[in-house]
Amino acid sequence: DAKTTQPPSMDCAEGRAANLPCNHSTISGNEYVYWYRQIHSQGPQYIIHGLKNNETNEMASLIITEDRKSSTLILPHATLRDTAVYYCIVRVAQGAQKLVFGQGTRLTINP
Amino acid sequence: DAGVIQSPRHEVTEMGQEVTLRCKPISGHNSLFWYRQTMMRGLELLIYFNNNVPIDDSGMPEDRFSAKMPNASFSTLKIQPSEPRDSAVYFCASRPDLYNEQFFGPGTRLTVL
Repeated sequence: DAKTTQPPSMDCAEGRAANLPCNHSTISGNEYVYWYRQIHSQGPQYIIHGLKNNETNEMASLIITEDRKSSTLILPHATLRDTAVYYCIVRVAQGAQKLVFGQGTRLTINP
Repeated sequence: DAGVIQSPRHEVTEMGQEVTLRCKPISGHNSLFWYRQTMMRGLELLIYFNNNVPIDDSGMPEDRFSAKMPNASFSTLKIQPSEPRDSAVYFCASRPDLYNEQFFGPGTRLTVL
């Protein structure tokens, strides 16, 4: 699986959009970008995933650059409950079982 | 749906004792995963099962660790004998098939004194 690079920490004001970047310059053509988050003392939670097109669901939007070497997770209106560690993971979707978690980005939403 | 259920939520034991962690996956999910999380090493995959069969146990630290899945609704992770360096939060996760995301349980916080 391709390696990802994320900033160790970020801050965002409550109600503003939180934009979390992820670099995955060695991603291959059949690898997807997945995002999970882990709120303190809880198990990780799936957020969203995509291959090359931008994706949106009820939790977030995922923007993948055209060359697919980087992506941004967007939380459009961050709340205090969005404070968590966010993990960007790249892997082959079909037939792949492992999730390899890096250190992630610790996002703090400030009131 | 109750989600993935893990027990106990907290376990404190003494070095050398046997520890058994339990997991009930979401009904209908056919893959189950055991992870360990520590400050030093982050979140690591220990072993996963597909249709109750262990597929990859390369993450299991050593022979002191063993995992079983006797049926589709139950799995155990056993540590015998336990050591202080086994102290961590152990997560169980399940997924419905090869193409979907994993759902994690609340974890078991293990402290070995």
